Amino acid sequence: QSMLTQPPSSSGTPGQRVTISCSGGSSNIGINTVSWYQQLPGAAPKLLIYRNDQRSSGVPDRFSGSKSGTSASLAISGLQPEDEADYYCATWDDSLNGQVFGGGTKLTVL
Amino acid sequence: QVQLQESGPGLVKPSQTLSLTCTVSGGSIRLTNYHWGWIRQPPGKGLEWIGSIYYSGSTYINPSLKSRVSISIDTSNNEFSLRLSSVTAADTAVYYCARHRSWTGARGGLDVWGQGTTAIVSS
Repeated sequence: QSMLTQPPSSSGTPGQRVTISCSGGSSNIGINTVSWYQQLPGAAPKLLIYRNDQRSSGVPDRFSGSKSGTSASLAISGLQPEDEADYYCATWDDSLNGQVFGGGTKLTVL
Repeated sequence: QVQLQESGPGLVKPSQTLSLTCTVSGGSIRLTNYHWGWIRQPPGKGLEWIGSIYYSGSTYINPSLKSRVSISIDTSNNEFSLRLSSVTAADTAVYYCARHRSWTGARGGLDVWGQGTTAIVSS
């Protein structure tokens, strides 16, 4: 059971906007910054968003991150077939004194 | 640019110790602005942080694995290593090494990843 809760799946059609949520608590998201990773099938994870809303180098501006209180969100606008992947949120947890990942959300582009 | 490459035996017997090494190329592991981490992913499951290390040797280890995990660093060979003892089938996973973002310590996002190496625990 992950300390960060994500929906297991999400879907959208090309061109649509989708949002993936990540719910945490006062010892993690509430006081630390959030990162988002994209994992394409058979590949290593790739850092998309860091420090809640900063895009990594080369990441299209279709991807955006936000944080409010103990929750964070990843939004993907203008959905494209190549966005079909698993997405993970992550942050530091002060109680655990370690990194925690969400359970992951499988995004399907219909 | 910096690249990371995991290496180690693909098959480990139950109760034995899994040993993996991450070789860093294209940059020095001795740079003071980076921490280096290990993450694993069981088949069909999500990511789990194992632990992270600084060039000085200071470590942060996942409490759920602390009794079985050791992470070390060899700055002369530009590599860091993971040892996981008393393995069971539940330790079967793809193991990744990665670099934390500059000046974020072990708290920061992981911006460079190795391709991953599969470790299977089986007799």
